[in-house]
This record gives sequence, C-alpha cells and structure tokens, in this order.
Amino acid sequence: AQSVTQPDIHITVSEGASLELRCNYSYGATPYLFWYVQSPGQGLQLLLKYFSGDTLVQGIKGFEAEFKRSQSSFNLRKPSVHWSDAAEYFCAVATFYNQGGKLIFGQGTELSVKP
Amino acid sequence: GAVVSQHPSRVICKSGTSVKIECRSLDFQATTMFWYRQFPKQSLMLMATSNEGSKATYEQGVEKDKFLINHASLTLSTLTVTSAHPEDSSFYICSAARTSGGIGDTQYFGPGTRLTVL
Repeated sequence: AQSVTQPDIHITVSEGASLELRCNYSYGATPYLFWYVQSPGQGLQLLLKYFSGDTLVQGIKGFEAEFKRSQSSFNLRKPSVHWSDAAEYFCAVATFYNQGGKLIFGQGTELSVKP
Repeated sequence: GAVVSQHPSRVICKSGTSVKIECRSLDFQATTMFWYRQFPKQSLMLMATSNEGSKATYEQGVEKDKFLINHASLTLSTLTVTSAHPEDSSFYICSAARTSGGIGDTQYFGPGTRLTVL
C-alpha cells in the first residue's frame, strides 16, 4: 500500500534562513506528488505538484520541490523563509489523478519561524 | 476561483445527537467531493469519496451508517454524524474536484469544521 512519511514533526527556522521539509513516499510506480500548506482557519492550499517531466517543480510563494526517484523523496525547499510561512505543511501522494484523485497525506510538519 | 466553504465552522453537541456538516463549492461544479478527518497534530485521513447522484465510497474502517454522506447536487455535499459520541470529536475537512478539471486538476479544500461532542 502506498504511504507518505514526513520525518520531521516540527521545525523552527529563523526568518530569512533557508528551509527544507522532508517527504518520503512508498509506492511501486511513479506517483503523483503534492505539497499542501494548512493555516489556521483556512483550507489546505496547494503549493506545488509533480506528475511527470522535470523533477524540479516550482510552486507558489517561492517554494520548490525536487522529485528523486532513487530516494523515493519529494522534499520541499524555500531559499528564504518569511514569518508568514509559519504553518503546517503536508506532503501527499496520489496513485491516480482524475477527478481529484485519491490523496494520501503524510503526518505533517509544523513550521515555526523565529524573528 | 475554486472556493470551497464549510458550514458550520464549529459545532458543539451533546452525545447521542446528530450533526450535519455542509460542504459547498461556491464558484464551480464538483462531481466528486471528499471528506477527511483530522485529529490534533495528525494527518488528514480520507473517510469517503462522494459522487453526485450516487452512493459514497467509504474507506476501510469508516462506518457508513454513522457517517452519512449525501451529494445531492454538483455544488453541495453533506456529512451527517449520527448519534455522535465524544470519540467522534474531530476536525472534519471536505474537498471538491472540479467537474471540468480533468486529469491533473487538484482537489480544493474547505476550511474545516471543528466538532466537539460533550
């Protein structure tokens, strides 16, 4: 069965520092991969997704992620974190993607940003 | 565009009562909607997938008689928690897939409903 692991439950970074959130997946074929951000009172927002092609994916708010098949990873990065980036981040995998697909989420990583 | 709303945002009820949560796609039609449950500091767990005009498909372990889902129109799905008990207290999130979205389109998530059963 497919699964997603986010090893870091909570990460704290200083404002302006770089960020990398880890995500590993388990699936036999190439999955569809996503990163979502959840802020209090707001619905999950899609940051970026990978379906095929270029393994480095650019998203909104300055985020990017790199798909590495050999490591079964899809880590999220941002070169310079802003205080407004503090939120919960979820990595997700879908084994098909039609009519929204069926998403399996990781446990989430809570990001805190120090001034 | 692609806004999903949920109502209510918070609900407190007594044990044994039923609670209905609405999920609406405000500016698009959604053939497929999803219901998730999220425990504090935990991931989203898919409960069921609902398709307009047909019965919902429940994930393994989810009691379909307890969590009634109705998707009567292309913009509205409802989740009714019947005979709620304290263990049903949780954060319930819906999402919707655009009918016109096709392969590659994402799910659009509502802000969630916090259910507390006393």
